[in-house]
Amino acid sequence: EPEVTQTPSHQVTQMGQEVILRCVPISNHLYFYWYRQILGQKVEFLVSFYNNEISEKSEIFDDQFSVERPDGSNFTLKIRSTKLEDSAMYFCASSLKTSGLYNEQFFGPGTRLTVL
Amino acid sequence: AQTVTQSQPEMSVQEAETVTLSCTYDTSESNYYLFWYKQPPSRQMILVIRQEAYKQQNATENRFSVNFQKAAKSFSLKISDSQLGDTAMYFCAFLGVGVNQAGTALIFGKGTTLSVSS
Repeated sequence: EPEVTQTPSHQVTQMGQEVILRCVPISNHLYFYWYRQILGQKVEFLVSFYNNEISEKSEIFDDQFSVERPDGSNFTLKIRSTKLEDSAMYFCASSLKTSGLYNEQFFGPGTRLTVL
Repeated sequence: AQTVTQSQPEMSVQEAETVTLSCTYDTSESNYYLFWYKQPPSRQMILVIRQEAYKQQNATENRFSVNFQKAAKSFSLKISDSQLGDTAMYFCAFLGVGVNQAGTALIFGKGTTLSVSS
């Protein structure tokens, strides 16, 4: 069964460093998403991406974040200068469509980011 | 703006018993989807069940069923014959489908931690 994969599973970085979180969405999916979950809190939407551009973003997704689809398979989230409060689990998701009869977002296993 | 509220931070149930997790939401949209996701200790997000707002019939997936009350904006999850493997955090989530058919962000509740004991 196709699945969303994410690498690395755990990333540890120093405050101020840049990190890139990688995702491989399901191959025929068209919409890609990033969510984050600070430990013990709810899952929050960051950004959605379609047709090589951002479709929607939340207020959390400020200038220190960027997303890219550098090739036909990967979808990346870059945090330019990490802060302590960026420590969280980051989930990538993908879906065939954003709306319609069947629009399940399939989630990857997450990347745990720890900023020291 | 849409909101999703889960008022039960923690629930516990004995194996083989039935438990109901509550969720309420607020929206002005008429067309939307509601979901329950399970997050076990591995923290993987797993879709449990989906409900389309335009369908009056409550969704059912094996031991999992929902009670969808659209007028009351309530969407509870019932787990029958609870199993140890059901121990997890459960999130209720809302996905709006706006006028332009552009609903992208899942809005999650804060979650309910369910513990199933033997």
